[in-house]
Amino acid sequence: VQLVESGGGVVQPGGSLRLSCAASGFTFTTSGMHWVRQAPGKGLEWVAFIRSDGSNKYYADSVKGRFTISRDNSKNALFLQMNSLSAEDTAVYYCAKDLWFWGQGTLVTVSS
Amino acid sequence: QSVLTQPPSASGTPGQRVTISCTGSRSNIGSNNEYWYQQLPGTAPKLLIYRNNQRPSGVPDRFSGSKSGTSAYLAISGLRSEDEADYYCAAWDDILSGWLFGGGTKLTVL
Repeated sequence: VQLVESGGGVVQPGGSLRLSCAASGFTFTTSGMHWVRQAPGKGLEWVAFIRSDGSNKYYADSVKGRFTISRDNSKNALFLQMNSLSAEDTAVYYCAKDLWFWGQGTLVTVSS
Repeated sequence: QSVLTQPPSASGTPGQRVTISCTGSRSNIGSNNEYWYQQLPGTAPKLLIYRNNQRPSGVPDRFSGSKSGTSAYLAISGLRSEDEADYYCAAWDDILSGWLFGGGTKLTVL
């Protein structure tokens, strides 16, 4: 199982960013996928989940209405579109398969 | 603020047994499976325990999980220096329709 996140970087408050997660080594089309984040020096915070076929999506209250999780099963890829970003969204963002296997994360810094 | 409550710290000496608690409510731990993770400094979390007391392949049997009502417990026996890490519990919450993580427990091996 390999999960590789990308797309992190520095963005200004109010800006947008799209994270990607490339999956390999397992059957992506039958796996539920999560995004989980960790602010610097803080604990883990679940962000969003999408079912294997994309039919259902769930979000943490802290990101509802601002973040959108999606997937492209033809490309074994998971995405997180993040809008209206604030300093509180600064964190390492991990993608995870069924909360079993985790990528190494990508850092998002929201700062002016 | 996490709805799953863990002690911020725990400690033990090599060879000892240490237990970390995770207190939730009927809508999460009380009615759903809990998971435990180990996070070493600078690395991604690693699954230790799932479905109450199941261990993924490769996780030593020194790690075990249990549950009583709305609280879950992670026990580490035969403590080793390499067990020094942050430990997190997690569970689905039926009311929030989302996953919750505990605040984490930093384990120090003295």
